[in-house]
Amino acid sequence: EPEVTQTPSHQVTQMGQEVILRCVPISNHLYFYWYRQILGQKVEFLVSFYNNEISEKSEIFDDQFSVERPDGSNFTLKIRSTKLEDSAMYFCASSSGAQETQYFGPGTRLLVL
Amino acid sequence: RKEVEQDPGPFNVPEGATVAFNCTYSNSASQSFFWYRQDCRKEPKLLMSVYSSGNEDGRFTAQLNRASQYISLLIRDSKLSDSATYLCAAGSNYQLIWGAGTKLIIKP
Repeated sequence: EPEVTQTPSHQVTQMGQEVILRCVPISNHLYFYWYRQILGQKVEFLVSFYNNEISEKSEIFDDQFSVERPDGSNFTLKIRSTKLEDSAMYFCASSSGAQETQYFGPGTRLLVL
Repeated sequence: RKEVEQDPGPFNVPEGATVAFNCTYSNSASQSFFWYRQDCRKEPKLLMSVYSSGNEDGRFTAQLNRASQYISLLIRDSKLSDSATYLCAAGSNYQLIWGAGTKLIIKP
C-alpha cells in the first residue's frame, strides 16, 4: 500500500538555525500539506500546496516558513530561523483531490534548543 | 474563526461496550468530514470519511448532521485495541481543521 514518508524522523537543532523537513507524498497525489502538533495539543494546519503553489496557509505559516517541491517526488518544509516554540511534531500529508482523504506521514519530531 | 470542538475525555469504557463521540464544527462551508485515530506519538490514521447519508464500516458508524453542524462516531463491541485518541476533522478550502481529540481507554 503506498504511503507518505518523511525524513528525518527526529531533528534536534539550535535556536536560530535553519531546518529542512522532507516528505515524499504518495506518487499519484496532487495535493500536499504540512501540519504540526505540539506535544499534548491538537493538530494544526500550516499550509497546503497544489500545482506548484501554496493554496492556503494558516497564521502560523509566517515568513519564517517556506515550502518547495524541488523535484517530482519531494515536498519540503523549511524553517529559516527556528524558535523554541517551533518544537513540535511536523506531519506531511497528501491527497488525490482537494476534499479527498489526506494520508499522513509518520512525522518529524523537531526539538529546538 | 474556524473551530472544531470535541470532548477531550478520557472515556473509560469496558471491553465490549458501545461508545459514542460527538464533534461540532463552526464553519458552515465545510465540505468534507473525517474521523481519524491517533495512537500516542504517532501520525493520525484515517478511520473513516463521514458522508451526509451516514456510513458504517464494521463496528464503526459515522453520522453527519449539517443542520446542527456536528458529526458523530459510534463504536460497537469495543476492543482493547480501540484505545486511542479519536480526532475529527472538517475540510474546506484546501485545509483540514482538527478537533483536539477524544481519548478512549478500553478496559478489560
